[in-house]
Amino acid sequence: EDQVTQSPEALRLQEGESSSLNCSYTVSGLRGLFWYRQDPGKGPEFLFTLYSAGEEKEKERLKATLTKKESFLHITAPKPEDSATYLCAVQDTGSARQLTFGSGTQLTVLP
Amino acid sequence: NAGVTQTPKFQVLKTGQSMTLQCAQDMNHNSMYWYRQDPGMGLRLIYYSASEGTTDKGEVPNGYNVSRLNKREFSLRLESAAPSQTSVYFCASSEVPSSQTQYFGPGTRLLVL
Repeated sequence: EDQVTQSPEALRLQEGESSSLNCSYTVSGLRGLFWYRQDPGKGPEFLFTLYSAGEEKEKERLKATLTKKESFLHITAPKPEDSATYLCAVQDTGSARQLTFGSGTQLTVLP
Repeated sequence: NAGVTQTPKFQVLKTGQSMTLQCAQDMNHNSMYWYRQDPGMGLRLIYYSASEGTTDKGEVPNGYNVSRLNKREFSLRLESAAPSQTSVYFCASSEVPSSQTQYFGPGTRLLVL
């Protein structure tokens, strides 16, 4: 059974204080690992897809990296508008349709 | 281009009542999905439709039915609502079944008393 664990559950940062969010996963074979951002009262917004260990992707202040067991979402010099819940999901090679989501990390960036 | 839209935004039901949640997408996607999101549990797949005319069960299908009305629309029906179905429901779509990128709607918040 696929499993995704995100840590920490909640993270408070000062504006400009860089940090990382962790996503540990267990799958029989990884088709893809996804990061989404979710603002309160809204649906998840797609950020990145990573396919293989060693891959990295960047968007503004966010950089996602992938190893065989986990993914990190690095946030560099965050701003208050980066406050949101960040969700990680995996797709198993044995499941062409289903994503397994973690419960998310709630990030608050204080001005 | 509205992406994925859902109606209603919020609904209160009494136990035993029925209702249908509506979802539509304008991205010409083939695959559509229904998820529920509960605190501390992450998003869980209820049903999905790989293409028009097909539907399949996901992780938590009990108590729900779905209809893929056409390529654009995918509805979720609760025949006899229970308090355990209080949740936030999200519809999503993707270009093809194996396409990893799913795009989500804004959600329907359902409270069952």
